Amino acid sequence: QSALTQPASVSGSPGQSITISCTGTSNDIGRYNFVSWYQQHPGKAPKLMIKDVTNRPSGVSNRFSGSKSGNTASLTISGLQAEDEADYYCNSYTSTFTVVFGGGTKLTVL
Amino acid sequence: QLQLQESGPGLVKPSETLSLTCTVSGGSIRSNYYWGWIRQPPGKGLEYIGSVYYSGSTYYNPSLKRRVTILVDTSKNQFSLRLSSVTAADTAVYYCARLDVDTAMVTSDIWGQGTLVTVSP
Repeated sequence: QSALTQPASVSGSPGQSITISCTGTSNDIGRYNFVSWYQQHPGKAPKLMIKDVTNRPSGVSNRFSGSKSGNTASLTISGLQAEDEADYYCNSYTSTFTVVFGGGTKLTVL
Repeated sequence: QLQLQESGPGLVKPSETLSLTCTVSGGSIRSNYYWGWIRQPPGKGLEYIGSVYYSGSTYYNPSLKRRVTILVDTSKNQFSLRLSSVTAADTAVYYCARLDVDTAMVTSDIWGQGTLVTVSP
């Protein structure tokens, strides 16, 4: 199972919006609404930001939103803040009954 | 609130077996969630290893299945990971996590702090 494709890096200025894409296939993202997004600060455990494509867990800022179109899922962060600088990972359930992760995207807040 | 804590040796020799335990505190492991292991090699991305339900039902990453065993001990509120025949490629930070029951492997809402395991002679 190949990894999901994410851009290696994205950047934005405080207050701006950015979108991180996560591209899979018709056997994972395109087939299931089981896509999650995780935020990871250096040396820390990942934190769940989005589940089931669009759902934000309790306690996660509403500046974070998720969507999906075809085989690509996206994470949008609006009103960018310095604390959002981190690595972001997507994952998806697959048709072979396993899970595949993206390679991760480093977000830099300029 | 619910917390997870990994424990085990930080150094394992090649060809030997890596063994880690995750202790669940602040709640019961006998709940409607899966309990799993995810690892991250230094400077790299995340990889699902496997997960277990309190009944003992398991899911494993097909690429690791031959070497992995995940067990649950409800009397101790713990679950464990055993990875046999380790090589340097198994050097990673190992996280334990709570996983949504819908797929048992996609949505991890609570994570341990992680423990670095190095495979070296």
